[in-house]
Amino acid sequence: SQQGEEDPQALSIQEGENATMNCSYKTSINNLQWYRQNSGRGLVHLILIRSNEREKHSGRLRVTLDTSKKSSSLLITASRAADTASYFCAIGGGYNKLIFGAGTRLAVHP
Amino acid sequence: DVKVTQSSRYLVKRTGEKVFLECVQDMDHENMFWYRQDPGLGLRLIYFSYDVKMKEKGDIPEGYSVSREKKERFSLILESASTNQTSMYLCASSSPRDTQYFGPGTRLTVL
Repeated sequence: SQQGEEDPQALSIQEGENATMNCSYKTSINNLQWYRQNSGRGLVHLILIRSNEREKHSGRLRVTLDTSKKSSSLLITASRAADTASYFCAIGGGYNKLIFGAGTRLAVHP
Repeated sequence: DVKVTQSSRYLVKRTGEKVFLECVQDMDHENMFWYRQDPGLGLRLIYFSYDVKMKEKGDIPEGYSVSREKKERFSLILESASTNQTSMYLCASSSPRDTQYFGPGTRLTVL
């Protein structure tokens, strides 16, 4: 069963613009993890945010978590063409099992 | 850096064959996972293991089995491959409640 649902499904922006992707879920979580996947490749971990945290930063990435609304967002600032990829949120539960959303396909145009 | 390796990037097998997919991690992680990824369906958990010789079913275990004889190695077994098992298979490992690190994936085609 998929608990994480990303919005939008696809996003197309110009280089230099910011990209925001949202994730909603339905049950309680231990943590929420964001991953990037380039076409046909493995998943690259971006940020893990725990259920007692509200915001985390990593370089140009900012993740927020609102457990009252059961939602998270990933913000990529000053996007580059190299950021073109699919982005997934994953809900971490017992045994750190992850349940993934369907992903957001981001296209950044030069 | 954490390294998760998978035995093959691409694999082509015939219907009915027994298929082994191997995954090795070098970070002494307790937990290991096998997912499959299909267009429109995202990543789905097949099996996971939280200790040597321990295994638990995920969301779609039918047609698969796993083996974890050593802490660093987690194998996915397709007892009798079928065409609907054509997919991208991704292995991951983690410490409890921490980041999952993924391997590069194996794209399996069953003819």
